[in-house]
Amino acid sequence: EVQLLESGGALVQPGGSLRLSCAASGFTFSSYTMHWVRQAPGKGLEWLSALSGTSGGTFYADSVKGRFTISRDNSKNTLYLQMNTLRAEDTAVYYCAKRGGSQEFDYWGQGTLVTVSS
Amino acid sequence: QTVVTQEPSFSVSPGGTVTLTCGLRAGSVSTTYYASWYQQTPGQAPRTLMYNTNTRSSGVPDRFSGSILGNKAALTITGAQADDESDYYCVLYMGSGIWVFGGGTKLTVL
Repeated sequence: EVQLLESGGALVQPGGSLRLSCAASGFTFSSYTMHWVRQAPGKGLEWLSALSGTSGGTFYADSVKGRFTISRDNSKNTLYLQMNTLRAEDTAVYYCAKRGGSQEFDYWGQGTLVTVSS
Repeated sequence: QTVVTQEPSFSVSPGGTVTLTCGLRAGSVSTTYYASWYQQTPGQAPRTLMYNTNTRSSGVPDRFSGSILGNKAALTITGAQADDESDYYCVLYMGSGIWVFGGGTKLTVL
């Protein structure tokens, strides 16, 4: 059974940094592209970043490019999102998701809440 | 900046049929965008319903169907049930490793 478990969400001050983790199990983690998606309170879903399992290529939405960094440790089956220079508008539930066979997000974690506030 | 459009809200009667759409502010959606659809209820993670325009995810009942209608991707619910009341999101693959979500449609069944 595929499982994704995010952690690392916290209350952080504007301008601060935070690293989120997503522990994966139930599939060959290293072979799959993994994503981060967020949802601000009362708002819709926003794709943030992807990391290819085959090429190692990284991709970012313009809203986080240069501030967020996606990475993975295949030996630990874990995906990360390093978030720097956080702003109030980064307040959201952050989900990791696994890419399916046809550009979809086929499995999702339960999310971790990041609150950026002084 | 790419904008993916969805109806903000829609209402359907129990047993009725509703079609939600997913478009581009500039351009037409085709199968090359690999449209996928997700259902979300408050406080829950999204659930994958449909991918590659018209392929149902495992366990999704066949009253959900996907298609291209005109210049948009579409999700049709036939025989709507009370527990279909949810938020529905589409996402398009724009190529070059970039995905863009629509703003979501809040579906009410009443």
